[in-house]
Amino acid sequence: AQTVTQSQPEMSVQEAETVTLSCTYDTSESDYYLFWYKQPPSRQMILVIRQEAYKQQNATENRFSVNFQKAAKSFSLKISDSQLGDAAMYFCAYRSARDMRFGAGTRLTVKP
Amino acid sequence: DADVTQTPRNRITKTGKRIMLECSQTKGHDRMYWYRQDPGLGLRLIYYSFDVKDINKGEISDGYSVSRQAQAKFSLSLESAIPNQTALYFCATSDPRQGGQPQHFGDGTRLSIL
Repeated sequence: AQTVTQSQPEMSVQEAETVTLSCTYDTSESDYYLFWYKQPPSRQMILVIRQEAYKQQNATENRFSVNFQKAAKSFSLKISDSQLGDAAMYFCAYRSARDMRFGAGTRLTVKP
Repeated sequence: DADVTQTPRNRITKTGKRIMLECSQTKGHDRMYWYRQDPGLGLRLIYYSFDVKDINKGEISDGYSVSRQAQAKFSLSLESAIPNQTALYFCATSDPRQGGQPQHFGDGTRLSIL
């Protein structure tokens, strides 16, 4: 079965600084997608960024970017110029044709 | 109005009770999902449905059942609730035409079983 591992239960960053959240996954499939979701205290689940496994280019969405290393099965999220509103739980997720798996999450604190 | 609506938002009930959590969506998506979220475990897939006649078990379906009443409605039932089913439950939808089919989530139902 596919697994998604987030090895950092908690991370902290100073406002305006950069932070990287780690994610590794295990799969034998070649066709899949990877995602990062954000869950603020309001408990909503919000899509941050997505990456197609067949694309070598790393996805970018404004201050959010990923480092996708397919051979290493690694998918880290970089948040630049951190803002107070970035404080939340962040979940890495994997999707194939009929499977959807989430990591356990990383709680990000942003210090003013 | 929310695109994916879950009711109730919170529920406290007793062991052995039958509970139904409801989900409706206005996004027009064919695919719907139920997850539970537990601290330290992230979200785990309970059931998913690709259309009204296509329902599939997810990672942790034991103790749960679902019904897809229409394209827009997907309910989750706990036939005889037990305390370890206490969790935050999410409904989600996806569109196969969207690359990767990102999940569109409801606001969750916090369920406590005493």
